[in-house]
Amino acid sequence: NAGVTQTPKFQVLKTGQSMTLQCAQDMNHEYMSWYRQDPGMGLRLIHYSVGAGITDQGEVPNGYNVSRSTTEDFPLRLLSAAPSQTSVYFCASSYSPGVYNSPLHFGNGTRLTVT
Amino acid sequence: AQTVTQSQPEMSVQEAETVTLSCTYDTSESDYYLFWYKQPPSRQMILVIRQEAYKQQNATENRFSVNFQKAAKSFSLKISDSQLGDAAMYFCAYRSAKAAGNKLTFGGGTRVLVKP
Repeated sequence: NAGVTQTPKFQVLKTGQSMTLQCAQDMNHEYMSWYRQDPGMGLRLIHYSVGAGITDQGEVPNGYNVSRSTTEDFPLRLLSAAPSQTSVYFCASSYSPGVYNSPLHFGNGTRLTVT
Repeated sequence: AQTVTQSQPEMSVQEAETVTLSCTYDTSESDYYLFWYKQPPSRQMILVIRQEAYKQQNATENRFSVNFQKAAKSFSLKISDSQLGDAAMYFCAYRSAKAAGNKLTFGGGTRVLVKP
C-alpha cells in the first residue's frame, strides 16, 4: 500500500524560483490538503480540496497555488519562492469526515529550503 | 477561529514510567473531534488516538489514553510504561464537525524524551 506519496523529499530553491510539490494518494480519498510545519507552530493548513475540481484556501494560502484535476493528485505550486517559505510541507488525505471521523493520512513530507 | 495550545515544549520521562502531555483548546462549538499525532525523527505523522466530543468515555489505545474534560476544554494524553520508541514530537489537533474539508488545527507540539 503506497498511501500518500510526496515528491521530492528535499528541495533547495533560490528566491524567485518556482516549483511544484507533488502529492498522490491511492486510497480513493475525496479530501486532500497541504500543511506546512514550522518550529514551535505545529502544522498550518495552506490549501485543501473536497473533491476533483474543488479547492479552497486554508490558514496560510499566500504564495501558493493548487489544483485538483483528478481524485488521486493534488500538487502544490510555489509561484515565486521566498525565504519565508522555508518549511516542511505535508500532504494529507482522508475520506469525507462523515465516514466515522475519518483520520488524516499524511505523506512523509518535503523539506524545502529557500535561499 | 479555534486555537490549540500545548504549554509544555518538552517533557522527559524514565523508561517504563508514565508521562502526561497537556493540551487545551478554544472553541465555541459543541461538536468536534480531537486527535493526538506522534512525529518521530523520521518526520512521519502517526495518529495515536482520537476522541469524539459527544462521547463522555475517554479513548484508550494500548498504552495511550486521554483525559477529555469538555467543560474545561482540556485533552491530555497519558503514555504509560514509556518505551524508547515513544520518543518523538506529539501534536494535539482539533477538527470541527461542521467545517468543510477535513481541516485540522494543530498545537505547537511537545517533545518527549525517554531516558533508559
